[in-house]
Amino acid sequence: KNEVEQSPQNLTAQEGEFITINCSYSVGISALHWLQQHPGGGIVSLFMLSSGKKKHGRLIATINIQEKHSSLHITASHPRDSAVYICAVRDSNYQLIWGAGTKLIIKP
Amino acid sequence: NAGVTQTPKFQVLKTGQSMTLQCAQDMNHEYMSWYRQDPGMGLRLIHYSVGAGITDQGEVPNGYNVSRSTTEDFPLRLLSAAPSQTSVYFCASSYRGQPQHFGDGTRLSIL
Repeated sequence: KNEVEQSPQNLTAQEGEFITINCSYSVGISALHWLQQHPGGGIVSLFMLSSGKKKHGRLIATINIQEKHSSLHITASHPRDSAVYICAVRDSNYQLIWGAGTKLIIKP
Repeated sequence: NAGVTQTPKFQVLKTGQSMTLQCAQDMNHEYMSWYRQDPGMGLRLIHYSVGAGITDQGEVPNGYNVSRSTTEDFPLRLLSAAPSQTSVYFCASSYRGQPQHFGDGTRLSIL
C-alpha cells in the first residue's frame, strides 16, 4: 500500500463544475503539499499546509490531521485547470512522499 | 531571478554513455533535490542535498551520483546509462520547510 494515495486517478468534468481531489496518507507528517503539473510538464506548488484550510483564487485546500486526509477543491472549473494535481507529504525525516497524481480534464 | 534552471531540456543517449544533468538555482535555497517521473508513477527522489558539501540518497539512487560544491548548483550524473533510466528528471530547490520550486524538467531517453 502506498503511503500517499490520491483519488480519483482520473477525473473528467464539464466547465463550471465543482471539483474535489482527495489525498490520504498513512505516515506522520509535518506538512502536506498540493502541486499542479501542466500538460507541458512544468510543476508548480499550489499550497503547503499543516492544518486547517487555505484558499487561493478558485482553489481551496483543506487538511484533517486526525483523519490523515486532505482535499483540493476547484470552484467554477475552467478548461485551463486541466492538469495533473499531485499531493505530497513531508514526513518526520523531512522527506517528501509523493502521490501518483490525479489527471483532471475540464471540458468546455 | 531565473528560479531553477535545468539543462538540457532533452537528451538521447546510448546505453553505457555517461552524462551530467545540470541544475542551478539563484534563490540561495539550501535544499535541492533530484526526482525522476515515470508514467503512472509519482515523483521518486533520487538524491538530495541540505546544503553545500552535503548530499544524501533518496528512494532510487542507484546509477546516479550527485555533488553540491556550491549552494547554486546540484548536478546529477548518470555513470553508465541504462534503458531503465529513460524518464523525465526534475530538479527542485527550497528553503527548509517551504514549498519547492521546480525546474522545467529534462526528458532523457536511453536507447
